[in-house]
Amino acid sequence: DSGVTQTPKHLITATGQRVTLRCSPRSGDLSVYWYQQSLDQGLQFLIQYYNGEERAKGNILERFSAQQFPDLHSELNLSSLELGDSALYFCASSPSGGAAETQYFGPGTRLLVL
Amino acid sequence: QKEVEQDPGPLSVPEGAIVSLNCTYSNSAFQYFMWYRQYSRKGPELLMYTYSSGNKEDGRFTAQVDKSSKYISLFIRDSQPSDSATYLCAMSGGGLDNMLTFGGGTRLMVKP
Repeated sequence: DSGVTQTPKHLITATGQRVTLRCSPRSGDLSVYWYQQSLDQGLQFLIQYYNGEERAKGNILERFSAQQFPDLHSELNLSSLELGDSALYFCASSPSGGAAETQYFGPGTRLLVL
Repeated sequence: QKEVEQDPGPLSVPEGAIVSLNCTYSNSAFQYFMWYRQYSRKGPELLMYTYSSGNKEDGRFTAQVDKSSKYISLFIRDSQPSDSATYLCAMSGGGLDNMLTFGGGTRLMVKP
């Protein structure tokens, strides 16, 4: 158990809908990362937050947004969902988000868009 | 072409075999190199972490980085059925952020 929690574990929804994925980092970690894992693209970095502020952005679609709250939990919002958004979404955390820090991954949220 | 290339496998070996997993990359800015193990329907877990070129050993696992060739390897000695998983290499450039770039993963099956 990495200490990172993600809810829900599974999510089934329809095209055009909006969903929110939630992540709680390990105790003491200030930085949160979101990744998407799909069969064709592999594991891809979406976005990183540190202590409530966005620090880095990867291949995140404009339909997707994220935020980190004062209690350090993070939410990833996915809107206008398409079939291709079906994937595993992982959250990871690390102490301060700097280079060389180990990222600890949560168990993931499996999203299925029908 | 992807920044990090990894043979997807599957790689099937008998129990006790030595396993060699490899990644190549194109971005010379990568400084930190990691190997993650991912069991089916689980999150990736860190196995090995190496900075710059060189070797690192931890139990049955050895990680090698050759920055001049842009090539990294993970060796597993005395492989066990419990090693059956997908192995992902990952890299980062060491800037202010800690963004990881992953290979596509190699599926390993160790048969008893």
